[in-house]
Amino acid sequence: DIVMTQSPDSLAVSLGERATINCKSSQSVLYSSNKKNYLGWYQQKPGQPPKLLIHWASTREPGVPDRFSGSGSGTDFTLTISTLQAEDVAVYYCHQYYSTPPTFGQGTKVEIK
Amino acid sequence: QVQLVQSGGEVKKPGASVKVSCKTSGYTFSSYGISWVRQAPGLGLEWMGWISGYNGKTNYVQKLQGRVTMTTDTSTTTAYMELRSLRSDDTAIYYCARVAGANEHGWFDPWGQGTLVTVSS
Repeated sequence: DIVMTQSPDSLAVSLGERATINCKSSQSVLYSSNKKNYLGWYQQKPGQPPKLLIHWASTREPGVPDRFSGSGSGTDFTLTISTLQAEDVAVYYCHQYYSTPPTFGQGTKVEIK
Repeated sequence: QVQLVQSGGEVKKPGASVKVSCKTSGYTFSSYGISWVRQAPGLGLEWMGWISGYNGKTNYVQKLQGRVTMTTDTSTTTAYMELRSLRSDDTAIYYCARVAGANEHGWFDPWGQGTLVTVSS
């Protein structure tokens, strides 16, 4: 199974500042034939199901604010919130769908400093 | 809009079975699969398995093989997940999610609202 490791486990960021979450996979999730990274990012607020923010590592879902961006390739990925808003307080998960079983990172809790 | 609506919470005794439903709408059911994901209290996300909306083909996580069965009813565009021989560590919120693409190698969007299954004597 591909192990997904996020860092940090939690971070506190001031409103308007940048938040950066890292995700590392135990093997590459880049599919050579289509050059796509099989990596998604989700946001989960308390009492709610996860919500997809980004797929293919960097493609933002319609309606997701452009302060959210994804980057990286192969085994190392980053979710960046450029200017943190109060409504961004949540747990964020990365998810590889390259191989079965699909696996998730352990989650990163983002709070306001 | 695409919606997945799950059945209500359940309380079960150890050794019992539970069956959770996931009623879908707003898309062509046979064009996508459904994955089931569970989340134990305060913990992360664990994929349980996938079922094709096209032909009912399934793929289960190895640790649940023999205890889980996923099915679909194409006439009502509903997916089901049954878990047997329940143990206390099966206590979790169970989610269904539509999987992008024709197989299990896709992102999950959207998700159902979740069903809390509590296993307690």
